[in-house]
Amino acid sequence: EAQVTQNPRYLITVTGKKLTVTCSQNMNHEYMSWYRQDPGLGLRQIYYSMNVEVTDKGDVPEGYKVSRKEKRNFPLILESPSPNQTSLYFCASSPPTDMNTEAFFGQGTRLTVV
Amino acid sequence: SQQGEEDPQALSIQEGENATMNCSYKTSINNLQWYRQNSGRGLVHLILIRSNEREKHSGRLRVTLDTSKKSSSLLITASRAADTASYFCATVYYGGSQGNLIFGKGTKLSVKP
Repeated sequence: EAQVTQNPRYLITVTGKKLTVTCSQNMNHEYMSWYRQDPGLGLRQIYYSMNVEVTDKGDVPEGYKVSRKEKRNFPLILESPSPNQTSLYFCASSPPTDMNTEAFFGQGTRLTVV
Repeated sequence: SQQGEEDPQALSIQEGENATMNCSYKTSINNLQWYRQNSGRGLVHLILIRSNEREKHSGRLRVTLDTSKKSSSLLITASRAADTASYFCATVYYGGSQGNLIFGKGTKLSVKP
């Protein structure tokens, strides 16, 4: 089954404790992206990747890191989480976006930083 | 900054009525997409309209695109309680980040039985 898998689904952590949210897709998609969703703010993009070893900042990259060492995985790393990073996070993937195709989303990761 | 802005932010209608949501964007686009999100869950793709298209239909959904006004609308006809969800427009646009998928803030639709 074609899917984007995020782990974990729920996470409560403490300020400053490094964490990684994994994202994996099995559709051989070139494009992958991370978004955070907060009430009233919609989905804001954190980082995106057009292909392996190609990543770029979105609108809200501060406090986050990503890597794209292989096509299927695009982990989101919070080196020193802070309470303002408490949010619902989504990973998405798609074929090259100029192919006019839809994006597929993971189920989301609800992160709480205390 | 976010590319799309949906209007209204929230919409409440009765079952059977039509629901119309609007999206405005800022720069030239390659395509515009609409997604649906049930409360706190992942987004599901509804429909994609290319920049050279003006109208597209899919079941009870009708999407229009006016590139001169940089706006799009999503019409859901004969709404059902199960249509209750948040709806987001997303654009793939040209510019410094060509080919990137950017979302708006969404419209929260409530359909009352």
